[in-house]
Amino acid sequence: ILNVEQSPQSLHVQEGDSTNFTCSFPSSNFYALHWYRWETAKSPEALFVMTLNGDEKKKGRISATLNTKEGYSYLYIKGSQPEDSATYLCAHSNAGNMLTFGGGTRLMVKP
Amino acid sequence: NAGVTQTPKFQVLKTGQSMTLQCAQDMNHEYMSWYRQDPGMGLRLIHYSVGAGITDQGEVPNGYNVSRSTTEDFPLRLLSAAPSQTSVYFCASSTLTGTSYEQYFGPGTRLTVT
Repeated sequence: ILNVEQSPQSLHVQEGDSTNFTCSFPSSNFYALHWYRWETAKSPEALFVMTLNGDEKKKGRISATLNTKEGYSYLYIKGSQPEDSATYLCAHSNAGNMLTFGGGTRLMVKP
Repeated sequence: NAGVTQTPKFQVLKTGQSMTLQCAQDMNHEYMSWYRQDPGMGLRLIHYSVGAGITDQGEVPNGYNVSRSTTEDFPLRLLSAAPSQTSVYFCASSTLTGTSYEQYFGPGTRLTVT
């Protein structure tokens, strides 16, 4: 079982602040790194899937980077808004498509 | 497309009872998975299937059975419910998109075992 760790566990920011959180994973047997956004009472929604070292992906104010050699990925949110409040999950997958999830970072954006 | 559907949304069981959580997808995805979500532990893989007739164990398979007789359906069976199985259960399906798999999650089933 691979250990996927996310930090911080929770984060409170003011509206307009930019923020970032970390996902670390074992660099061996790497296939893909997934980021999900998970709002309370809803199902996780895919944000990004990254496979190559140095990958950077962006969707609106949210972006992510990937370093497979050292085993980490960063998720950045620029100019946080209250609607960004959610739990952000990362998951590591192997070639067999088994996902191992981290514990998530719970983001709360105060208006 | 309805995507991934799960029934029921909520269920209360007594210890020792059995039940089946239903999951269906209409996207013709080959991969399907079941996860459980517990506070502070993220999502943990219970069982998964890479195609009809093929299933395998994930991280926490004990107490659960699955089968995959069709591409569309992937039911999860609790043979003898225990309080430790109180959790929120998510079914997911995925297919190869480019060089990686993107997972689509169902709305979840909240199960309480008393």
